[in-house]
Amino acid sequence: GDSVTQMEGPVTLSEEAFLTINCTYTATGYPSLFWYVQYPGEGLQLLLKATKADDKGSNKGFEATYRKETTSFHLEKGSVQVSDSAVYFCALSDRARRGSNYKLTFGKGTLLTVNP
Amino acid sequence: GAVVSQHPSWVICKSGTSVKIECRSLDFQATTMFWYRQFPKQSLMLMATSNEGSKATYEQGVEKDKFLINHASLTLSTLTVTSAHPEDSSFYICSARMGQGINQPQHFGDGTRLSIL
Repeated sequence: GDSVTQMEGPVTLSEEAFLTINCTYTATGYPSLFWYVQYPGEGLQLLLKATKADDKGSNKGFEATYRKETTSFHLEKGSVQVSDSAVYFCALSDRARRGSNYKLTFGKGTLLTVNP
Repeated sequence: GAVVSQHPSWVICKSGTSVKIECRSLDFQATTMFWYRQFPKQSLMLMATSNEGSKATYEQGVEKDKFLINHASLTLSTLTVTSAHPEDSSFYICSARMGQGINQPQHFGDGTRLSIL
């Protein structure tokens, strides 16, 4: 079946530090990949996505590149801010699962705390 | 764009009562809506998927008679937790997606925190 593995958190950084959150996946078919962010007490917001190999998704200074050869989709940001503190979820939607309405498979989430 | 409104945001009720949670797509038509449950510090667990006008498809282990889902229109889906008990206390999140394509992202509501006393 499909699965998403994220690095265990929590991750604590100082403001302006470089961020990497690792994400690897297994999928039956050819997946689309997503990063979602969840701020405390809220639902999830789409941060970025990539739909095919070598695509780079980017938004708000965050980037992730779809690496088919390593089945990875690591999230990076060059300089984090206190406002980036949240839980980040890596997710995939598998083309082989059209019958399931292309449901999302989530990783367990990584809590990021950025200190001033 | 792509705003999903979920209501109520927080509900506290006595054991044995039924609770209805609404999920609305405000500026788009949602072909498909999803309902998730999230336990503290854990990932989202998909409960069911619903397409407008069709019966919901429940994930394995989710009681369909306990968690009633209605997707009566392209902008509204409801989740009713029937005869709720303390073990049903959780954070429930809905999402909505326009179109059928795999690359269409899910847009999430802000969630409903349900506490059963």
